[in-house]
Amino acid sequence: QMQLEQSGAEVKKPGSSVRVSCKASGGTFDTYSINWVRQAPGHGLEWMGGIIPMYGTTKYAQNFQGRVTVTADASTSTAYMELSGLRSEDTAVYYCARDFLGLGVSIGEDAFDLWGQGTKVTVSS
Amino acid sequence: ERVMTQSPATLSVSPGERATLSCRASQSVSSNLAWYQQKPGQAPSLLIFGASSRATDIPARFSGTGYGTEFTLSISSLQSDDFAVYYCQQYDTWPATFGGGTKVEI
Repeated sequence: QMQLEQSGAEVKKPGSSVRVSCKASGGTFDTYSINWVRQAPGHGLEWMGGIIPMYGTTKYAQNFQGRVTVTADASTSTAYMELSGLRSEDTAVYYCARDFLGLGVSIGEDAFDLWGQGTKVTVSS
Repeated sequence: ERVMTQSPATLSVSPGERATLSCRASQSVSSNLAWYQQKPGQAPSLLIFGASSRATDIPARFSGTGYGTEFTLSISSLQSDDFAVYYCQQYDTWPATFGGGTKVEI
């Protein structure tokens, strides 16, 4: 049974960057997209961006354009999300999630059937 | 982008009762609607996709209905394990967007 395992919690200063990893265990990414969804305290879920690791195709939400970069190493089945210019409002739990259909054509346009455990990022001076 | 609105924000029910949660889309999303359950400290878990299809291993007491802009998640005979926050998500139009959630509490 495939699982997504994320890196540990981070504490960052305002203006800095954070990089979160998401590694598939018990399987590979194949043609699935890996998406990043964040959940700020007291807020709901917000899709940030994603990648199809097999092709390297990426897509980002407008709210994060220019600040978020999603990459992947298909050989190690690991995806990464880097968020720059951190501010206090970026304090949140960040999840990676696999798209449901895995057709290799969509990023951020599917349900998400497999999620990582979440990585808490705290931005504080 | 499509705005998803869930109601009520909090639903108080007793074990064994039926819970009915609503989700409204700002524009039609056809049947491209998913529901998730999230328990404290855990990631969301897919319950329903395609508005009415249960995901793998989801009990039959969870059912989804609706099309277009109005959707409902029903949980018949609530069990203690069902008290959680539920989110709807549309994936008809990029980017996928989520509702604000409904907390089901005792």
